[in-house]
Amino acid sequence: GQNIDQPTEMTATEGAIVQINCTYQTSGFNGLFWYQQHAGEAPTFLSYNVLDGLEEKGRFSSFLSRSKGYSYLLLKELQMKDSASYLCAVRWYNNNDMRFGAGTRLTVKP
Amino acid sequence: DAGVIQSPRHEVTEMGQEVTLRCKPISGHDYLFWYRQTMMRGLELLIYFNNNVPIDDSGMPEDRFSAKMPNASFSTLKIQPSEPRDSAVYFCASSWNREGKDTQYFGPGTRLTVL
Repeated sequence: GQNIDQPTEMTATEGAIVQINCTYQTSGFNGLFWYQQHAGEAPTFLSYNVLDGLEEKGRFSSFLSRSKGYSYLLLKELQMKDSASYLCAVRWYNNNDMRFGAGTRLTVKP
Repeated sequence: DAGVIQSPRHEVTEMGQEVTLRCKPISGHDYLFWYRQTMMRGLELLIYFNNNVPIDDSGMPEDRFSAKMPNASFSTLKIQPSEPRDSAVYFCASSWNREGKDTQYFGPGTRLTVL
């Protein structure tokens, strides 16, 4: 199968840390992307992982474990503007086909 | 760079009418993707092109949908005849496969409403 699973909704407090998980069931894995999408806008690229480990980019970090089919997006020092949907997307080997998860809608509260 | 350009931004039409959505990818990108997004089904890949050639159209819902890419700077997605269930936001994205990292850049989308 090519299921990509992530929680539907999450809520966190401004200034806190939140972790959004993504699991996938697929063979031929060749990369995982995280995108951010604000309501009414297009998805924008956040991070890319193809090897195991943690990729850090400012307040955002993304982790990948290929053997477990698992990734997470870590958001630190949450700001109100981080309220958005976060989409996990998986690419398959030797092509540019990419499938998106349903997205996790994050609400940051004061 | 202007980014991916889509037109129109909003389209309202009646059932049975033909709808044409347009996309201009980022200059130099050799991949172009068409997606559809709804609340129920999320973001779905419809079709993608590499160097103007359709590679995978398995996501196209049915024969009412067709896509073309006559040159590297222009693509269309056509729905004929349109139906209310086609109402969605249609995104175009482009990418350049450089060193295996082919980040897709999305256009602003076309919000289609079929009455």
